[in-house]
Amino acid sequence: DTAVSQTPKYLVTQMGNDKSIKCEQNLGHDTMYWYKQDSKKFLKIMFSYNNKELIINETVPNRFSPKSPDKAHLNLHINSLELGDSAVYFCASSQGTGWTGPRGYGYTFGSGTRLTVV
Amino acid sequence: AQTVTQSQPEMSVQEAETVTLSCTYDTSESDYYLFWYKQPPSRQMILVIRQEAYKQQNATENRFSVNFQKAAKSFSLKISDSQLGDAAMYFCAYSVGVTQGGSEKLVFGKGTKLTVNP
Repeated sequence: DTAVSQTPKYLVTQMGNDKSIKCEQNLGHDTMYWYKQDSKKFLKIMFSYNNKELIINETVPNRFSPKSPDKAHLNLHINSLELGDSAVYFCASSQGTGWTGPRGYGYTFGSGTRLTVV
Repeated sequence: AQTVTQSQPEMSVQEAETVTLSCTYDTSESDYYLFWYKQPPSRQMILVIRQEAYKQQNATENRFSVNFQKAAKSFSLKISDSQLGDAAMYFCAYSVGVTQGGSEKLVFGKGTKLTVNP
């Protein structure tokens, strides 16, 4: 069974389109994340949700909107796609729970979605 | 703000030899967590090893071990008996605790590309 699954794995779309990436985890984790990996392989956090509540919202254009219908799902919707949005987007989950939460477990990552905007 | 620096963009090693990948970090915390992740060409992010800062003993996972020097803020990864399957990007990461909601934010270094020569 795949622990963190993302769909689609590849996404090629034209500038100006709107697209969504879906993520689901079956680990029972409370916290989910979106990371962006650019062409130089640098990984940067975009968002995190804990039990459907937005916790981290880094400096990300408003065109990116995460949605968490329940704690096992975290989707990423991108409006008006631009060439600079081309990247690999990773979903991840961790065991963080409660107000202070345990740290130190690291993340379980999905396999990534390669988004290409043409 | 916590930063993670990997000073070696690329490294190479002969099969069966040992290689050490460097990582330094900056933090004002006394208790924190550090990780090494591996990203092979398949793109999947795989947790290799984790270290708790309050534990003086260096973490070890089979052929992978770390040299954790807390005072120097150094966290290097040693791969012994290198195998062809070890060829990948290796990322060092620091866990930043988020004060609400139990999120654990990982800050990544820029990665080191490891080539294993037969």
